[in-house]
Amino acid sequence: DAGVIQSPRHEVTEMGQEVTLRCKPISGHDYLFWYRQTMMRGLELLIYFNNNVPIDDSGMPEDRFSAKMPNASFSTLKIQPSEPRDSAVYFCASSWGGANVLTFGAGSRLTVL
Amino acid sequence: AQTVTQSQPEMSVQEAETVTLSCTYDTSESDYYLFWYKQPPSRQMILVIRQEAYKQQNATENRFSVNFQKAAKSFSLKISDSQLGDAAMYFCAYRILFNAGGTSYGKLTFGQGTILTVHP
Repeated sequence: DAGVIQSPRHEVTEMGQEVTLRCKPISGHDYLFWYRQTMMRGLELLIYFNNNVPIDDSGMPEDRFSAKMPNASFSTLKIQPSEPRDSAVYFCASSWGGANVLTFGAGSRLTVL
Repeated sequence: AQTVTQSQPEMSVQEAETVTLSCTYDTSESDYYLFWYKQPPSRQMILVIRQEAYKQQNATENRFSVNFQKAAKSFSLKISDSQLGDAAMYFCAYRILFNAGGTSYGKLTFGQGTILTVHP
């Protein structure tokens, strides 16, 4: 099993540009989570899905952020337009069932200049 | 809302000694799971240990063990015989199984983290 795969690993962009982060969960997992990690705010849950349906998006900072899961094997987190304060490491994680351990991807480090 | 609190931003320990990291959580639910994750400088999130709330017995995993006090809503991590490779950020996490409103099942919430330094 290749684990949770995130791309890109690093992204440097300029303020105002659109950013798309991608995640491929582990096959068979029915939960998918997006987290953001910064020094100031720690690990924040942005949104999570169960069976491709968003369950809780209360952590999404504002309308500039959107997440989709068109099928069980792919999810995107989009920021449009990006701002310097969006600079962070974004993690995707997946699990099978609501009680099991989450497996994390390696993270995508985003820098907005 | 469920919250997880780690009151120790930083901890240090001598190699081969024992250290305990604290974690408290707030919930009104009875079915939930608790986890400790480790994040070394590589930033990869690694599971250390898991505890089911319905189990009274404390979970153990080699040199790692927990002290789970359900009534006190406390979930501390003890690392015995500390090794240099244990140096990392440690996160406590709470995962709800079901909630009364049915709106947050499966949600995993993290504490702020504790940076552990291991001195040779």
